Amino acid sequence: SAVISQKPSRDICQRGTSLTIQCQVDSQVTMMFWYRQQPGQSLTLIATANQGSEATYESGFVIDKFPISRPNLTFSTLTVSNMSPEDSSIYLCSVSRLAGGRTYEQYFGPGTRLTVT
Amino acid sequence: TQLLEQSPQFLSIQEGENLTVYCNSSSVFSSLQWYRQEPGEGPVLLVTVVTGGEVKKLKRLTFQFGDARKDSSLHITAAQPGDTGLYLCAGEGVSGGSNYKLTFGKGTLLTVNP
Repeated sequence: SAVISQKPSRDICQRGTSLTIQCQVDSQVTMMFWYRQQPGQSLTLIATANQGSEATYESGFVIDKFPISRPNLTFSTLTVSNMSPEDSSIYLCSVSRLAGGRTYEQYFGPGTRLTVT
Repeated sequence: TQLLEQSPQFLSIQEGENLTVYCNSSSVFSSLQWYRQEPGEGPVLLVTVVTGGEVKKLKRLTFQFGDARKDSSLHITAAQPGDTGLYLCAGEGVSGGSNYKLTFGKGTLLTVNP
């Protein structure tokens, strides 16, 4: 498994501003992921962040809106830029580990609850 | 179209009852993972099933992977209030897709009333 922390745990921001969310893992991992989740609903993958390369974004998400950094194997940031109320959500980071040599399992941070007013 | 159909979406039961949550797809997955998420926390991995027909037990929870590796079920026996949470199934390695990416179902919000 992995121990993952996120900062901040929650924030209330004004529209038009930006927020950077930090994700710290207790051990080195190759793949990190950023998700968005509406309360009580499922997860939507924003992007995959690998160290030493540009993040790979899913359909509907762009780098200008959600720039991601991955400076080393234990840390990543996600910035939500030029926020609007529609960006209010829970943002989660996760890491992937190969388990049993056959399958990849993901472990999640506690999430950052963002409210944009 | 949702790749993984999870049902039911909402479930409210009394303590002591049994329940089953289903996760169905027309696609084959390398593995299926089940997560439970409590309010204010991230999803926690419960189990991974890999082999078609595989059954895994975790105390009162029984997980099954379909023979064709397209569907899975989670059965809870004698549910307790502590089982309350959002249950998510996630498929890994959908046919032709990257092995490390997960495809999530919409989730089942379970409430167990004392």
